[in-house]
Amino acid sequence: GNSVTQMEGPVTLSEEAFLTINCTYTATGYPSLFWYVQYPGEGLQLLLKATKADDKGSNKGFEATYRKETTSFHLEKGSVQVSDSAVYFCASRGGYQKVTFGTGTKLQVIP
Amino acid sequence: DVKVTQSSRYLVKRTGEKVFLECVQDMDHENMFWYRQDPGLGLRLIYFSYDVKMKEKGDIPEGYSVSREKKERFSLILESASTNQTSMYLCASSPALGAKNIQYFGAGTRLSVL
Repeated sequence: GNSVTQMEGPVTLSEEAFLTINCTYTATGYPSLFWYVQYPGEGLQLLLKATKADDKGSNKGFEATYRKETTSFHLEKGSVQVSDSAVYFCASRGGYQKVTFGTGTKLQVIP
Repeated sequence: DVKVTQSSRYLVKRTGEKVFLECVQDMDHENMFWYRQDPGLGLRLIYFSYDVKMKEKGDIPEGYSVSREKKERFSLILESASTNQTSMYLCASSPALGAKNIQYFGAGTRLSVL
């Protein structure tokens, strides 16, 4: 079956630092890949997605590139803000299969 | 604006009680899902439904059942609540099955079973 592995947190960064959260996947075929974000006290919301190899998803300054050769979908942002503090989930979805989520990475950005 | 509404944000129940968690979506989505979220375990799928009156077991269905009598509503039922069911429960919906379709989540219900 599908699986998603993402780096454990928490990740603590100073404001304006560079962010990378690693995510790798295993799947049969070519799944669509997603990053969801969960702000404190809220449900998950889609941050960005990519549906085929070499696609780059981007939103709110975050980016992730679908790398088939390394089965990865790492999340990056050039300059984080305090308001980016949240839990980030990597996820994959293939064809008619259900979504598989990673365990989540908590990001704390300090002023 | 898409909306998935869970009936309660916080719920406290006693061991052995029957518990109903309700979820309503206003997007005419075919698919609905129930997850539980626990620290270090991420989201785990309990049940999902791809049509009215249809249901499929997820990864951890034991101790739970579901009901989908109307397209917009998906209920999670704990027949006899136990302390190990203390968790955050998230409902989600999505359009008909397809790899590109994203899920829309409710705000969650934090259930404590005493």
